[in-house]
Amino acid sequence: AQSVAQPEDQVNVAEGNPLTVKCTYSVSGNPYLFWYVQYPNRGLQFLLKYITGDNLVKGSYGFEAEFNKSQTSFHLKKPSALVSDSALYFCAVRRGMNRDDKIIFGKGTRLHILP
Amino acid sequence: GAVVSQHPSRVICKSGTSVKIECRSLDFQATTMFWYRQFPKQSLMLMATSNEGSKATYEQGVEKDKFLINHASLTLSTLTVTSAHPEDSSFYICSATGGGPTEAFFGQGTRLTVV
Repeated sequence: AQSVAQPEDQVNVAEGNPLTVKCTYSVSGNPYLFWYVQYPNRGLQFLLKYITGDNLVKGSYGFEAEFNKSQTSFHLKKPSALVSDSALYFCAVRRGMNRDDKIIFGKGTRLHILP
Repeated sequence: GAVVSQHPSRVICKSGTSVKIECRSLDFQATTMFWYRQFPKQSLMLMATSNEGSKATYEQGVEKDKFLINHASLTLSTLTVTSAHPEDSSFYICSATGGGPTEAFFGQGTRLTVV
């Protein structure tokens, strides 16, 4: 079975500092990994994905993530945090791209950027 | 990115009535749609996966007779909460994929309140 772990419920970072939101996964075969962001009472917005290729993936709003196969991790990073980055972040994994392959989400990490 | 429109964004209904939520892919053909439920400060719980033209696959513990899912076309899936009760009050989110190594696109979510 596939699963995603986000070990931190909340991460606090001062504005201008680098931020990291952690994610580890468990899935058989090669994973498809995603990060999404959710603002209050809204759906999820796609940030970035890893499918294959370069382990460092760059996405929207200056975010990036590094796929580490040996550690089964896909941590989200940003070099310099903005107050507007404060939101709920979800890591997700999909085993494959067949119609029946489910997308499973981590529990989410609330990011607070302190001015 | 692709656009998924979910309607209504907010609905209040009386206990015992049924509510239909629509999820439309506006600029791509959604071969698969996922329906999630999100409780306050919690992650997304996958309810069911629906493939166009076939019956939805429900996750364990989700009552298929209560949460009716129809995916009759490549651009529309509906979730009907039948005989709603206050415990069905939640935030429901749909997402859609068009097949291939692509991310899922999310609707804006529907806040259902059953009184």
